[in-house]
Amino acid sequence: DSGVTQTPKHLITATGQRVTLRCSPRSGDLSVYWYQQSLDQGLQFLIQYYNGEERAKGNILERFSAQQFPDLHSELNLSSLELGDSALYFCASSVAFGSLQFFGPGTRLTVL
Amino acid sequence: QQQVKQSPQSLIVQKGGISIINCAYENTAFDYFPWYQQFPGKGPALLIAIRPDVSEKKEGRFTISFNKSAKQFSLHIMDSQPGDSATYFCAAQITGTASKLTFGTGTRLQVTL
Repeated sequence: DSGVTQTPKHLITATGQRVTLRCSPRSGDLSVYWYQQSLDQGLQFLIQYYNGEERAKGNILERFSAQQFPDLHSELNLSSLELGDSALYFCASSVAFGSLQFFGPGTRLTVL
Repeated sequence: QQQVKQSPQSLIVQKGGISIINCAYENTAFDYFPWYQQFPGKGPALLIAIRPDVSEKKEGRFTISFNKSAKQFSLHIMDSQPGDSATYFCAAQITGTASKLTFGTGTRLQVTL
């Protein structure tokens, strides 16, 4: 158990809908990262937050957004969902920049 | 652009054998190289990591070998066990302001009895 928690574990929804994925980092970690894992794209970095501020963006679609709250938990919002958005979404946390990243168990999103 | 290339895609090793997974990178700004192990339905778990100023790092049965001039690094699993059957990902990171992980494509390891 990495200490990173993610909810929900599974999410099934329809095209065009909007969902919110939640992540709680390890105690003491200030940085949160979101990654997407799909069969064709592998593990891809989406976005990073550090102590409430966005720090880096990867290949994140405009339909996706995220935020980190004062209690350091983070939410990833996915809107106007398409079939191709079906994937595993992982959250990772680290103490600071360049520190070891620990991954949560992931949320499996299925868009029908 | 695939910045970290990983091979092989899959690997079958007998129990007690040595599993070897190779990775190569392009960006010389990478300065941290972790390996992750992922079991089905689970998140990637940090296994071992190395910095480019070290040529080898060993933790238990797991060893990373690093060749900075060739921009290559590899994971060796000694005395492979059925419980090691998982997917392994190498990754590379630029520590500091952009500390995202860039992952290889993964190697599915199966250790047979």
